[in-house]
Amino acid sequence: GAGVSQSPRYKVAKRGQDVALRCDPISGHVSLFWYQQALGQGPEFLTYFQNEAQLDKSGLPSDRFFAERPEGSVSTLKIQRTQQEDSAVYLCASRYRGALINEQFFGPGTRLTVL
Amino acid sequence: EDKVVQSPLSLVVHEGDTVTLNCSYEVTNFRSLLWYKQEKKAPTFLFMLTSSGIEKKSGRLSSILDKKELFSILNITATQTGDSAVYLCAVEAGTSYDKVIFGPGTSLSVIP
Repeated sequence: GAGVSQSPRYKVAKRGQDVALRCDPISGHVSLFWYQQALGQGPEFLTYFQNEAQLDKSGLPSDRFFAERPEGSVSTLKIQRTQQEDSAVYLCASRYRGALINEQFFGPGTRLTVL
Repeated sequence: EDKVVQSPLSLVVHEGDTVTLNCSYEVTNFRSLLWYKQEKKAPTFLFMLTSSGIEKKSGRLSSILDKKELFSILNITATQTGDSAVYLCAVEAGTSYDKVIFGPGTSLSVIP
């Protein structure tokens, strides 16, 4: 595709439900990042993949958060037993590693609302 | 702990005004500083700065980095209502890969 896509764009979950958020990066982009953006805040780093390897998951707020990228392209962020504080926009970004300009291309985000 | 601070957090100006947005940072293994514009959707890239004292310009927007004092400014001249957005400052840092740390953003509202 032309850009990074994410699905679903909006998700409403009841507290305690599990959710799965999908990210399709730009084809050929080695690096993939997940961010959590609360209302009125800047994006907070969650995790980073280089191809299929998860090199940094230090930003995941709890063990209820899990991310994978098994074939080095599509990535899924899973949140188990959702809580109200998980409500945020989840942004995915990809980057072609080695580019002169290290621009991250962001997807439109998934807005998660936990009731 | 790596951190990026922006000021002001919000700003309201009239069309035609000039604004200066501030970003300061404390990170280990600094590599570059980035500015993004976010309008109710994903952030879009504006500038990347790696060297002190070299101004980057794009139309009415310009930015400069001071690596000694650890800050950057983003200037917008002759503001227009279309400039209303959140402006995010981010810093790339790290050794094994370029981790990006974002500031909280400055919310700019330009009123006619």
